[in-house]
Amino acid sequence: AQSVTQLGSHVSVSEGALVLLRCNYSSSVPPYLFWYVQYPNQGLQLLLKYTSAATLVKGINGFEAEFKKSETSFHLTKPSAHMSDAAEYFCAVTLNYGQNFVFGPGTRLSVLP
Amino acid sequence: DSGVTQTPKHLITATGQRVTLRCSPRSGDLSVYWYQQSLDQGLQFLIQYYNGEERAKGNILERFSAQQFPDLHSELNLSSLELGDSALYFCASSVGGGLNYEQYFGPGTRLTVT
Repeated sequence: AQSVTQLGSHVSVSEGALVLLRCNYSSSVPPYLFWYVQYPNQGLQLLLKYTSAATLVKGINGFEAEFKKSETSFHLTKPSAHMSDAAEYFCAVTLNYGQNFVFGPGTRLSVLP
Repeated sequence: DSGVTQTPKHLITATGQRVTLRCSPRSGDLSVYWYQQSLDQGLQFLIQYYNGEERAKGNILERFSAQQFPDLHSELNLSSLELGDSALYFCASSVGGGLNYEQYFGPGTRLTVT
C-alpha cells in the first residue's frame, strides 16, 4: 500500500526566503503525486500534480515540485515566500485511476515579515 | 468560490444518530469525491462517484454510505455516529473521473458529535 510522509509539521520562513516543503512517498509502482494547499477555514486547492510526464512540475502561485524516483521524493519549492503563502500544505499519492488517495499529515507554513 | 456547494455548513448531533451531508458539484462536473478531515486521522479520502456509479473507495467505514443521484448531486450518510466521527467533511468535484482532472473542493460540513 502506498504512504506519504511530510517532514516537519510546521515550517517558518521569512518573507522573500525560499520555501521548501518535503514529501516522501512509498509505493510499489510509479505513483501519481499531488500537492494541495488549504487556507484557513477553506477547502483544498490543487497546487500541482505529477502524472508521469515531466519530472519538474510547475504549479500555481509560483510553486514547483520535482519528482525524484531514486529518493522517492516530491518536495515542493517556491523561490520567494509571500505572506499570502501562509497555509497548510498536503502531499498526496495515488497509484492509478480509481485507486485510493493517500494524504500526508500536512505541513503548516508560516511566513514571517 | 469553487462552485461546489455543501449543506449544511455545521451539524451538531448526538452519538448513535444518523445524518446526511449533501454536495452539489460544479456545473458540468460528473465526478464527486468525499473526504474526512480530523485532528486524529488527518485528511482521508472516503469515496468517489462518477456519473452515478461508485468509482473508487478509500477509508470509508461500513457505517457510512454515499450515493450520487441522476442530477449528479451526492449525499454522504453517516449512521450510528460516534464521538470520533466529529470532523470536517469535504466534497470535491471534477469534470472526469481520471487523475488528469483537477478536483474542486467545497467549503466543507463541520460535524460535531456530542
